[in-house]
Amino acid sequence: RKEVEQDPGPFNVPEGATVAFNCTYSNSASQSFFWYRQDCRKEPKLLMSVYSSGNEDGRFTAQLNRASQYISLLIRDSKLSDSATYLCVVNLSGGYNKLIFGAGTRLAVHP
Amino acid sequence: NAGVTQTPKFQVLKTGQSMTLQCAQDMNHNSMYWYRQDPGMGLRLIYYSASEGTTDKGEVPNGYNVSRLNKREFSLRLESAAPSQTSVYFCASTQNDPNQPQHFGDGTRLSIL
Repeated sequence: RKEVEQDPGPFNVPEGATVAFNCTYSNSASQSFFWYRQDCRKEPKLLMSVYSSGNEDGRFTAQLNRASQYISLLIRDSKLSDSATYLCVVNLSGGYNKLIFGAGTRLAVHP
Repeated sequence: NAGVTQTPKFQVLKTGQSMTLQCAQDMNHNSMYWYRQDPGMGLRLIYYSASEGTTDKGEVPNGYNVSRLNKREFSLRLESAAPSQTSVYFCASTQNDPNQPQHFGDGTRLSIL
């Protein structure tokens, strides 16, 4: 079983739609969680951290369910510019900052 | 605001050639990392350095060596390139805090013929 699993998609949605991605992780000792965004042939960039109580940043909402070991990302009112691959990232506990990356979920927003 | 800088951005090598990928960060971060990314796969950690003077293997270290030259610089060396090492390589850095994200360079696209 992969340490971090995501549906690869693609999710094809019209502008204005709401779309949700889920991610599961296998290590219950994982300490922190992130969503990164990666545009085609570019470097990953932090979209948002995921906090235990859930958190929101504009049109983006992230939630964490430790009991079920999954993380979600909700995007409301999708824009064309949201088209990208979204990477679920988990930080394992340990003496250094070790991130495990999911393979990503591809989102394509069309007019 | 340079952040993490990688050189070169593109490189084509022949099988058996050697080369060094350079990475430098100006954010005074303690930890630095080298990843490779292949189609359909997540980023896989090759080597990391938790502090100046220390390096450790990641998930896929075979065929690579690294040097943490100082706090700013972390280089990745391919001694004898193989076609299986064709990939996009990313360098990243962060503070030694599990709640801090990693900051990535632009990547090096490496093709080995």
